[in-house]
Amino acid sequence: GENVGLHLPTLSVQEGDNSIINCAYSNSASDYFIWYKQESGKGPQFIIDIRSNMDKRQGQRVTVLLNKTVKHLSLQIAATQPGDSAVYFCAENMEYGNKLVFGAGTILRVKS
Amino acid sequence: NAGVMQNPRHLVRRRGQEARLRCSPMKGHSHVYWYRQLPEEGLKFMVYLQKENIIDESGMPKERFSAEFPKEGPSILRIQQVVRGDSAAYFCASSLGTLTGANEKLFFGSGTQLSVL
Repeated sequence: GENVGLHLPTLSVQEGDNSIINCAYSNSASDYFIWYKQESGKGPQFIIDIRSNMDKRQGQRVTVLLNKTVKHLSLQIAATQPGDSAVYFCAENMEYGNKLVFGAGTILRVKS
Repeated sequence: NAGVMQNPRHLVRRRGQEARLRCSPMKGHSHVYWYRQLPEEGLKFMVYLQKENIIDESGMPKERFSAEFPKEGPSILRIQQVVRGDSAAYFCASSLGTLTGANEKLFFGSGTQLSVL
């Protein structure tokens, strides 16, 4: 059948502000979650991951929060920079599974 | 320190032709995954291979699509008799071990953009 592209949600932030990108996952059996950044014409780039036995993990300028009760994942980017502009995807891996299932993505636009 | 290498970066085919997409995983990685991405959509899992074996092909169309990862050489995603709907970006990823392992990560290549005329 014909493939129809979906319009991705867009988050616009001012340079220097903090960004919060949200993701709802569907499978309560998922135990590993990852955030990827994808710039135009490039492959997804690993940002940060978290396992289900944690609810928060921090990296350099990024924090991932996991709320298993409501199956929600968020990515916080501190002091957003123009180079952070990209599409951000969350991905989940089911317990004992071996493939990542990706969400639809969020476009982050940083205004200078 | 090469990452996941995919070639070609761009591939143009006419309807009915065959497309072959190649992927060399990161050095030492024996697990390869193929994903497909349509414009403004997320990546859709196609197939997971471990040297010479197809482990999970639940995302592969039943016809015209096949994948292999031989003992020597790159992994190949083959699409026979391409149709316009096959136009997409195809990404390959690799990992050292299974994703259930602690600290295991999936690394992606830059993708092959397939355009079917």
